[in-house]
Amino acid sequence: GENVEQHPSTLSVQEGDSAVIKCTYSDSASNYFPWYKQELGKGPQLIIDIRSNVGEKKDQRIAVTLNKTAKHFSLHITETQPEDSAVYFCAVLSGGGADGLTFGKGTHLIIQP
Amino acid sequence: EPEVTQTPSHQVTQMGQEVILRCVPISNHLYFYWYRQILGQKVEFLVSFYNNEISEKSEIFDDQFSVERPDGSNFTLKIRSTKLEDSAMYFCASSEQGGNTEAFFGQGTRLTVV
Repeated sequence: GENVEQHPSTLSVQEGDSAVIKCTYSDSASNYFPWYKQELGKGPQLIIDIRSNVGEKKDQRIAVTLNKTAKHFSLHITETQPEDSAVYFCAVLSGGGADGLTFGKGTHLIIQP
Repeated sequence: EPEVTQTPSHQVTQMGQEVILRCVPISNHLYFYWYRQILGQKVEFLVSFYNNEISEKSEIFDDQFSVERPDGSNFTLKIRSTKLEDSAMYFCASSEQGGNTEAFFGQGTRLTVV
């Protein structure tokens, strides 16, 4: 089955700096790569996603890059703000008609004021 | 904004008892999912449901688990004979088209088996 690795497990950055979280996956047929933000006591919320036919996608301060050859994708948050503090999960949808997402272990992002 | 709602928010049950976790997916969505998250760990896929039947299930989703859409709005997860290791957050999710489209997650039900 799909194996998703996410790094780092904890990331602390100064407010205003950028944060980068990286994930690798194992199934080369995977075709959908969402990123979720989870705040304490809440469910995961989609913040950005990318499909396998695109290399990069940006939405305001958030961007995702995908390298299909290397089987890794990254989340980039620029100009970080205190409200960006949360746990971020990458996820992968395997090819072959799979329905369920395989999640990474999560990154606890801490924005230092 | 439409959202997935789950009840109860917290359920405490005795080991060996049956529990039913309830979800109301977003009204025009056709694909429904259950995931679980053991405390401090990653979110794990349990099952997907489409057109009134299971479309995919993980190794975790064994005979102890079942899902049902009893009416036009609810989607339930039943856990028979609960075990201590079933303690987790259970998230319901729904999506409009399945596959590589956005899945919206509910707030979760925290299940504690004692």
